Amino acid sequence: ETGVTQSPTHLIKTRGQQVTLRCSSQSGHNTVSWYQQALGQGPQFIFQYYREEENGRGNFPPRFSGLQFPNYSSELNVNALELDDSALYLCASSLGAGAVYNEQFFGPGTRLTVL
Amino acid sequence: SQQGEEDPQALSIQEGENATMNCSYKTSINNLQWYRQNSGRGLVHLILIRSNEREKHSGRLRVTLDTSKKSSSLLITASRAADTASYFCATDRNAGNMLTFGGGTRLMVKP
Repeated sequence: ETGVTQSPTHLIKTRGQQVTLRCSSQSGHNTVSWYQQALGQGPQFIFQYYREEENGRGNFPPRFSGLQFPNYSSELNVNALELDDSALYLCASSLGAGAVYNEQFFGPGTRLTVL
Repeated sequence: SQQGEEDPQALSIQEGENATMNCSYKTSINNLQWYRQNSGRGLVHLILIRSNEREKHSGRLRVTLDTSKKSSSLLITASRAADTASYFCATDRNAGNMLTFGGGTRLMVKP
């Protein structure tokens, strides 16, 4: 157990819908990163939030957006769902962002299926 | 897109044997990390090696890094059935935890 939790565990949506995934960081961690992992592939970095501001973004379109709250919990929102959005979505929390390495802890993931 | 490649994509060995997985990457890095994933669930951090290090050990794990070849290897010694999982390398360019993962090696250890 890493202390990072995600909800829901599984989710089924239809193409064109919107979805919100949630992540609760490990206590005291002020940085959260989100990753998308398609079946049989490695995770791909979506974006990172540090103290409620977006701190970096991978190669994902604007319909992928996020929020980080004052308690450092986080949301990933995906609009206009496409079939290729079907994947395991992982969040990871850490303390700090850059310059000095701090270990990152991953949650168990949310499996999203888009029909 | 993935940073690099992992080799082999799948590996099947008997319990007690050693397992070696290789990872190549494309850009300069601050550190390289290895993760384990069971059955498509969350990732577990195994070991980190910094760009100025060449070798690191942790229990039955040994990691090497060759920055001139942009490659790393993970050796698991005396494997156990419980080591069956997918293993991923991930590079971090600036210690900011914005990781770029490889495609993974699926390891099966037969009892």
